[in-house]
Amino acid sequence: QTVVTQEPSLTVSPGGTVTLTCASSTGAVTSGHYPNWFQQKPGQTPRTLIYNTNNKHSWTPARFSGSLLGDKAALTLSGVQPEDEADYYCLLYYAGAQPWVFGGGTKLTVL
Amino acid sequence: QVQLVQSGAEMKKPGASVKVSCKASGYISYGYYIHWVRQAPGQGLEWMGWIYPNNGDTGPAQNFQGRITMTRDTSVDTVYVEMSMLTSDDTAIYYCVSEKGGGQWLMWGQGTLVTVSS
Repeated sequence: QTVVTQEPSLTVSPGGTVTLTCASSTGAVTSGHYPNWFQQKPGQTPRTLIYNTNNKHSWTPARFSGSLLGDKAALTLSGVQPEDEADYYCLLYYAGAQPWVFGGGTKLTVL
Repeated sequence: QVQLVQSGAEMKKPGASVKVSCKASGYISYGYYIHWVRQAPGQGLEWMGWIYPNNGDTGPAQNFQGRITMTRDTSVDTVYVEMSMLTSDDTAIYYCVSEKGGGQWLMWGQGTLVTVSS
Protein backbone atom coordinates (compact mmCIF):
# COMPACT_ATOMS: atom_id res chain seq x y z
CA GLN A 1 0.00 0.00 0.00
CA THR A 2 1.34 3.37 -1.05
CA VAL A 3 2.02 5.82 1.77
CA VAL A 4 2.37 9.57 1.38
CA THR A 5 4.24 11.21 4.25
CA GLN A 6 4.10 14.78 5.53
CA GLU A 7 5.56 16.43 8.59
CA PRO A 8 2.98 15.99 11.37
CA SER A 9 3.49 19.50 12.67
CA LEU A 10 5.49 22.64 12.03
CA THR A 11 5.72 25.98 13.77
CA VAL A 12 6.57 29.29 12.12
CA SER A 13 6.72 32.89 13.30
CA PRO A 14 4.54 35.53 11.69
CA GLY A 15 6.31 36.97 8.68
CA GLY A 16 8.57 33.98 8.40
CA THR A 17 8.95 31.34 5.72
CA VAL A 18 8.16 27.67 6.06
CA THR A 19 8.30 24.70 3.70
CA LEU A 20 6.04 21.69 4.01
CA THR A 21 7.02 18.53 2.19
CA CYS A 22 5.25 15.51 0.73
CA ALA A 23 7.10 12.23 0.21
CA SER A 24 6.05 9.04 -1.53
CA SER A 25 6.84 5.53 -0.33
CA THR A 26 7.34 4.50 -3.96
CA GLY A 27 10.25 6.85 -4.56
CA ALA A 28 10.78 10.35 -5.86
CA VAL A 29 7.76 12.57 -6.35
CA THR A 30 7.58 13.95 -9.88
CA SER A 31 5.25 16.18 -11.84
CA GLY A 32 3.61 12.96 -13.03
CA HIS A 33 2.15 12.58 -9.54
CA TYR A 34 0.19 15.81 -10.17
CA PRO A 35 0.81 17.07 -6.62
CA ASN A 36 -2.07 19.03 -5.16
CA TRP A 37 -2.06 20.94 -1.87
CA PHE A 38 -5.06 21.72 0.30
CA GLN A 39 -5.60 23.97 3.28
CA GLN A 40 -8.11 23.20 6.00
CA LYS A 41 -8.75 25.63 8.80
CA PRO A 42 -10.39 24.40 12.01
CA GLY A 43 -14.05 23.58 11.48
CA GLN A 44 -13.91 24.45 7.80
CA THR A 45 -14.06 22.66 4.49
CA PRO A 46 -10.71 22.07 2.79
CA ARG A 47 -9.82 24.28 -0.14
CA THR A 48 -7.43 23.62 -2.98
CA LEU A 49 -4.37 25.87 -3.02
CA ILE A 50 -2.01 24.32 -5.55
CA TYR A 51 -2.49 21.86 -8.41
CA ASN A 52 -0.05 20.07 -10.70
CA THR A 53 2.99 20.85 -8.55
CA ASN A 54 3.09 24.64 -8.78
CA ASN A 55 -0.10 26.04 -10.27
CA LYS A 56 -2.24 28.39 -8.21
CA HIS A 57 -5.95 28.94 -8.34
CA SER A 58 -7.37 32.42 -8.58
CA TRP A 59 -8.10 32.38 -4.86
CA THR A 60 -4.64 31.19 -3.77
CA PRO A 61 -2.71 33.94 -1.95
CA ALA A 62 0.54 34.88 -3.67
CA ARG A 63 2.59 33.92 -0.60
CA PHE A 64 1.86 30.23 -1.27
CA SER A 65 3.99 28.40 -3.82
CA GLY A 66 4.43 24.79 -4.83
CA SER A 67 7.51 23.02 -6.15
CA LEU A 68 9.50 19.83 -6.29
CA LEU A 69 12.28 19.83 -3.73
CA GLY A 70 14.71 16.97 -4.05
CA ASP A 71 12.56 13.86 -4.20
CA LYS A 72 9.51 15.45 -2.60
CA ALA A 73 6.72 17.85 -3.43
CA ALA A 74 6.86 21.03 -1.40
CA LEU A 75 4.57 23.85 -0.35
CA THR A 76 6.32 27.06 0.71
CA LEU A 77 4.66 29.88 2.58
CA SER A 78 6.57 33.16 2.46
CA GLY A 79 5.61 36.00 4.78
CA VAL A 80 3.36 33.81 6.88
CA GLN A 81 0.22 35.40 8.27
CA PRO A 82 -1.63 34.38 11.44
CA GLU A 83 -4.56 33.25 9.29
CA ASP A 84 -2.32 30.64 7.65
CA GLU A 85 -2.56 28.53 10.79
CA ALA A 86 -4.26 25.40 9.49
CA ASP A 87 -3.85 21.79 8.46
CA TYR A 88 -2.26 21.26 5.07
CA TYR A 89 -2.68 18.11 3.01
CA CYS A 90 -0.90 16.98 -0.10
CA LEU A 91 -2.38 14.61 -2.64
CA LEU A 92 -0.52 12.48 -5.16
CA TYR A 93 -1.61 10.54 -8.22
CA TYR A 94 -0.53 6.98 -8.96
CA ALA A 95 -1.51 5.15 -12.12
CA GLY A 96 -3.38 2.00 -11.17
CA ALA A 97 -6.15 0.76 -8.93
CA GLN A 98 -5.59 3.32 -6.16
CA PRO A 99 -4.85 6.45 -8.19
CA TRP A 100 -5.12 9.14 -5.52
CA VAL A 101 -3.51 9.09 -2.08
CA PHE A 102 -3.57 11.85 0.53
CA GLY A 103 -0.73 12.58 2.86
CA GLY A 104 -1.44 12.48 6.57
CA GLY A 105 -1.44 16.25 6.83
CA THR A 106 0.76 18.89 8.49
CA LYS A 107 -0.56 21.00 11.31
CA LEU A 108 0.97 24.44 10.88
CA THR A 109 1.11 26.66 13.93
CA VAL A 110 1.86 30.36 13.59
CA LEU A 111 3.43 31.53 16.82
CA GLN B 1 -16.15 27.14 -11.85
CA VAL B 2 -18.34 24.24 -10.84
CA GLN B 3 -19.81 24.87 -7.39
CA LEU B 4 -20.90 21.85 -5.39
CA VAL B 5 -23.78 21.65 -2.89
CA GLN B 6 -24.22 18.49 -0.85
CA SER B 7 -27.19 16.94 0.91
CA GLY B 8 -27.76 17.26 4.62
CA ALA B 9 -26.47 15.30 7.60
CA GLU B 10 -27.47 11.68 8.03
CA MET B 11 -27.73 9.41 11.03
CA LYS B 12 -27.69 5.69 10.39
CA LYS B 13 -27.58 2.47 12.33
CA PRO B 14 -24.81 -0.10 11.86
CA GLY B 15 -25.46 -2.32 8.87
CA ALA B 16 -27.55 0.29 7.09
CA SER B 17 -26.78 2.14 3.88
CA VAL B 18 -26.49 5.87 3.19
CA LYS B 19 -26.72 7.88 0.00
CA VAL B 20 -25.16 11.32 -0.23
CA SER B 21 -25.80 13.69 -3.10
CA CYS B 22 -23.66 16.43 -4.62
CA LYS B 23 -25.30 18.95 -6.94
CA ALA B 24 -23.12 20.93 -9.31
CA SER B 25 -24.08 24.47 -10.19
CA GLY B 26 -22.21 24.28 -13.42
CA TYR B 27 -22.12 21.79 -16.23
CA ILE B 28 -20.77 18.60 -14.72
CA SER B 29 -21.04 16.83 -18.03
CA TYR B 30 -18.33 18.97 -19.55
CA GLY B 31 -15.15 17.13 -18.70
CA TYR B 32 -15.07 17.39 -14.93
CA TYR B 33 -14.43 14.47 -12.64
CA ILE B 34 -16.07 14.35 -9.23
CA HIS B 35 -14.18 12.72 -6.38
CA TRP B 36 -15.49 11.60 -3.02
CA VAL B 37 -13.30 12.18 0.02
CA ARG B 38 -14.08 11.53 3.66
CA GLN B 39 -12.69 12.73 6.96
CA ALA B 40 -13.32 10.90 10.21
CA PRO B 41 -13.46 13.02 13.39
CA GLY B 42 -10.03 14.42 14.18
CA GLN B 43 -8.45 12.52 11.30
CA GLY B 44 -7.03 13.27 7.88
CA LEU B 45 -8.51 13.09 4.41
CA GLU B 46 -9.22 9.78 2.72
CA TRP B 47 -9.86 9.42 -1.00
CA MET B 48 -12.83 7.18 -1.76
CA GLY B 49 -13.24 7.19 -5.51
CA TRP B 50 -14.12 9.15 -8.63
CA ILE B 51 -16.95 9.40 -11.11
CA TYR B 52 -16.86 10.91 -14.59
CA PRO B 53 -20.39 12.29 -14.98
CA ASN B 54 -20.04 12.65 -18.74
CA ASN B 55 -20.33 8.89 -19.22
CA GLY B 56 -20.85 7.48 -15.74
CA ASP B 57 -17.46 5.77 -15.48
CA THR B 58 -16.33 5.23 -11.91
CA GLY B 59 -13.20 4.24 -10.05
CA PRO B 60 -13.67 3.31 -6.41
CA ALA B 61 -10.69 3.13 -4.08
CA GLN B 62 -9.57 -0.38 -3.20
CA ASN B 63 -10.61 0.12 0.42
CA PHE B 64 -14.19 0.77 -0.67
CA GLN B 65 -14.66 -1.61 -3.57
CA GLY B 66 -17.82 -3.60 -3.16
CA ARG B 67 -19.19 -1.23 -0.58
CA ILE B 68 -19.67 2.05 -2.43
CA THR B 69 -21.63 2.87 -5.54
CA MET B 70 -21.15 6.15 -7.37
CA THR B 71 -23.83 7.30 -9.80
CA ARG B 72 -24.95 10.42 -11.56
CA ASP B 73 -28.09 12.06 -12.89
CA THR B 74 -27.04 14.53 -15.52
CA SER B 75 -30.59 15.86 -15.88
CA VAL B 76 -30.19 17.49 -12.47
CA ASP B 77 -26.40 17.90 -12.49
CA THR B 78 -26.09 15.67 -9.45
CA VAL B 79 -23.77 12.85 -8.46
CA TYR B 80 -24.34 10.40 -5.66
CA VAL B 81 -22.34 8.08 -3.48
CA GLU B 82 -24.02 5.23 -1.69
CA MET B 83 -22.23 3.26 0.98
CA SER B 84 -23.54 0.01 2.38
CA MET B 85 -22.86 -2.12 5.49
CA LEU B 86 -22.08 0.93 7.58
CA THR B 87 -20.10 0.61 10.80
CA SER B 88 -19.13 3.18 13.40
CA ASP B 89 -15.81 3.54 11.55
CA ASP B 90 -17.75 5.13 8.69
CA THR B 91 -18.73 8.08 10.87
CA ALA B 92 -17.17 10.98 9.01
CA ILE B 93 -17.73 14.08 6.93
CA TYR B 94 -18.09 13.13 3.30
CA TYR B 95 -16.99 15.64 0.66
CA CYS B 96 -17.38 15.78 -3.09
CA VAL B 97 -14.62 17.57 -4.97
CA SER B 98 -14.38 18.55 -8.62
CA GLU B 99 -11.38 17.90 -10.81
CA LYS B 100 -10.98 19.47 -14.22
CA GLY B 101 -8.90 16.57 -15.44
CA GLY B 102 -5.15 16.28 -15.61
CA GLY B 103 -4.88 16.50 -11.85
CA GLN B 104 -6.41 19.94 -11.43
CA TRP B 105 -8.47 19.58 -8.27
CA LEU B 106 -10.86 22.45 -7.82
CA MET B 107 -13.89 23.09 -5.65
CA TRP B 108 -15.08 21.24 -2.59
CA GLY B 109 -18.65 20.67 -1.52
CA GLN B 110 -19.52 21.85 1.95
CA GLY B 111 -19.46 18.32 3.32
CA THR B 112 -22.09 15.92 4.65
CA LEU B 113 -21.79 14.51 8.15
CA VAL B 114 -22.72 10.85 8.34
CA THR B 115 -23.04 9.45 11.83
CA VAL B 116 -23.30 5.71 12.35
CA SER B 117 -24.52 4.76 15.79
CA SER B 118 -26.80 2.22 17.35
